[in-house]
Amino acid sequence: QSALTQPPSASGSPGQSVTISCTGTSSDVGGYNFVSWYQQHPGKAPKLMIYEVNKRPSGVPDRFSGSKSANTASLTVSGLQAEDEADYYCSSYAGGNNFVFGTGTKVSVV
Amino acid sequence: QLQLQESGPGLVKPSETLSLTCTVSGGTFSSNNYCWGWIRQPPGKGPEWIGSVYYSGSTYYSPSLKSRVTISVDRTRNQFSLKLNSVTAADTAVYYCARRLEEMATIDYWGQGTLVTVSS
Repeated sequence: QSALTQPPSASGSPGQSVTISCTGTSSDVGGYNFVSWYQQHPGKAPKLMIYEVNKRPSGVPDRFSGSKSANTASLTVSGLQAEDEADYYCSSYAGGNNFVFGTGTKVSVV
Repeated sequence: QLQLQESGPGLVKPSETLSLTCTVSGGTFSSNNYCWGWIRQPPGKGPEWIGSVYYSGSTYYSPSLKSRVTISVDRTRNQFSLKLNSVTAADTAVYYCARRLEEMATIDYWGQGTLVTVSS
């Protein structure tokens, strides 16, 4: 299993939007609607932001949204805020009770 | 509020066995709605799924680590454990324990993580 491919970095000004892609294969992202997105601040554990492609857990702002097309999933953060600056990782179910994570994207609010 | 806490040595010698335990508190340990898993994250890299264990004791491992990994559950102590044998420097990482929701196939609770360094 190879890691899902994400761009190393993305940036935006406060109030703007940023979209992060996550590319896998038909054996993971394309094969299941079980894509999750996690936010990780330095030295902290990841925090669930999106599950099942586009669902938000309770407490996650609606500025965070997810989508998927074929083998690529995307996370969009609208109305960027300073606290959104973090690393973001996607994850997908890959069958057989296995999961694969993305390479990670560092989002900067400039 | 559910809490997970990893414990174990922070330094392991090459070729030896890495052993970690995760203690779960503040919630229900036994349920068919979720399983307990281990994830690791090498410094500066993305997370890697290691494997999971159900309350029943059933286990599933990442194909890339399957030959070296054992995950077990201790129902009397609300704990589950990870053993990774024949470690090398490539196994140096922050190791997280976590809860994975079965139906949604997502991780909703993570431990704080513990850094394990493999070095002589």
